[in-house]
Amino acid sequence: EVQLVESGGGLVKPGGSLRLSCAASGFTFSSYSMNWVRQAPGKGLEWVSSISSSSSYIYYADSVKGRFTISRDNAKNSLYLQMNSLRAEDTAVYYCARDSSGWQANWFDPWGQGTLVTVSS
Amino acid sequence: SSELTQDPAVSVALGQTVRITCQGDSLRSYYASWYQQKPGQAPVLVIYGKNNRPSGIPDRFSGSSSGNTASLTITGAQAEDEADYYCNSRDSSGNPVFGGGTKLTVL
Repeated sequence: EVQLVESGGGLVKPGGSLRLSCAASGFTFSSYSMNWVRQAPGKGLEWVSSISSSSSYIYYADSVKGRFTISRDNAKNSLYLQMNSLRAEDTAVYYCARDSSGWQANWFDPWGQGTLVTVSS
Repeated sequence: SSELTQDPAVSVALGQTVRITCQGDSLRSYYASWYQQKPGQAPVLVIYGKNNRPSGIPDRFSGSSSGNTASLTITGAQAEDEADYYCNSRDSSGNPVFGGGTKLTVL
């Protein structure tokens, strides 16, 4: 079964740091690009960051650029998101999602169950 | 603000057909993917590419595209289809972007 399991969320003070992890199983992790997507309470989905299969290409949303760092360890089948200088507006459920692509199309499947990050004093 | 625009809410009578739309310039070049999200759950892919359904998604879900508009159609909506639906494509920088979401109510 293809599965993604996030961990590392929690309560952190503004300006603090947190590292999220996503453990992948059931597929060849090293063959896929991966993404982080977040959802603030009661809000819609927001793409956060992407990393290619070999880490050669990395992209960030403007809202997190310079503060968040995506990385992966293909030997451990794991994806990470290092979050620094956290702000209240970073409060959200963070999902990892596998990236797939075809002709003129990209899609995210599957998604993990999400991990909640709360930034509050 | 999102570069993909969705109606915030749509309703449909049980067993009837409903279309959820997504508008954006990138949809002239990229197909949208569609995700269903029920309260407290992670999003689930329901349509990708031109009109493809992942394994396990009922065939009452279908996708189409015309110009700058992508559509998700549910033919014969069921009570369990009540959920939030999000479209996804690319923004002007080529990065993924989601629509604001449509809350579907099945009456």
